[in-house]
Amino acid sequence: DTAVSQTPKYLVTQMGNDKSIKCEQNLGHDTMYWYKQDSKKFLKIMFSYNNKELIINETVPNRFSPKSPDKAHLNLHINSLELGDSAVYFCASSQGVRRDTGELFFGEGSRLTVL
Amino acid sequence: GEDVEQSLFLSVREGDSSVINCTYTDSSSTYLYWYKQEPGAGLQLLTYIFSNMDMKQDQRLTVLLNKKDKHLSLRIADTQTGDSAIYFCAESILDNTDKLIFGTGTRLQVFP
Repeated sequence: DTAVSQTPKYLVTQMGNDKSIKCEQNLGHDTMYWYKQDSKKFLKIMFSYNNKELIINETVPNRFSPKSPDKAHLNLHINSLELGDSAVYFCASSQGVRRDTGELFFGEGSRLTVL
Repeated sequence: GEDVEQSLFLSVREGDSSVINCTYTDSSSTYLYWYKQEPGAGLQLLTYIFSNMDMKQDQRLTVLLNKKDKHLSLRIADTQTGDSAIYFCAESILDNTDKLIFGTGTRLQVFP
């Protein structure tokens, strides 16, 4: 059983299109995240949701819209894709440092290529 | 600031020890972590250390924490080719967001 699963694993699309990446966790965690990893492997947090409530929005363009229908799911929708959006997007979940060690459990990543 | 710095590359011979260093900025971090990323995969936790500890040993891994200098290191004993990967340190930020700030990553290459 995969703890954090995200789909699709690969996504190739044209500039200007709209696309979504889905994420699900079966760990019972309250908090879910989206991180972006660029071509230099730098990892930056984008969003965090705790129990369906947006907690973190790190100066991400409003073309990116996360949606959390329930605490086990956090999807990422991207409008009007740009070349600079090409990256690997990682979903993660955690129980947080107040209730646990704060360890993040990561999905396998979704590689987005914008042409 | 929330910058976590690491050297970008490390190359070692199989069987030698590897030491990966990290400098963090938030002195209130409760936990510090080491993650490993293999090619085409997500990040996996290797080990973590609580901020009131100086050292933690877990089989071939030794973590050293110097809170005064905000310096964290990961030593891998008897490095194997399977250890080749990117290693990220991370710190937990003591706020209500439970976010982790990741370092720039160190690419470890092990040669025979």
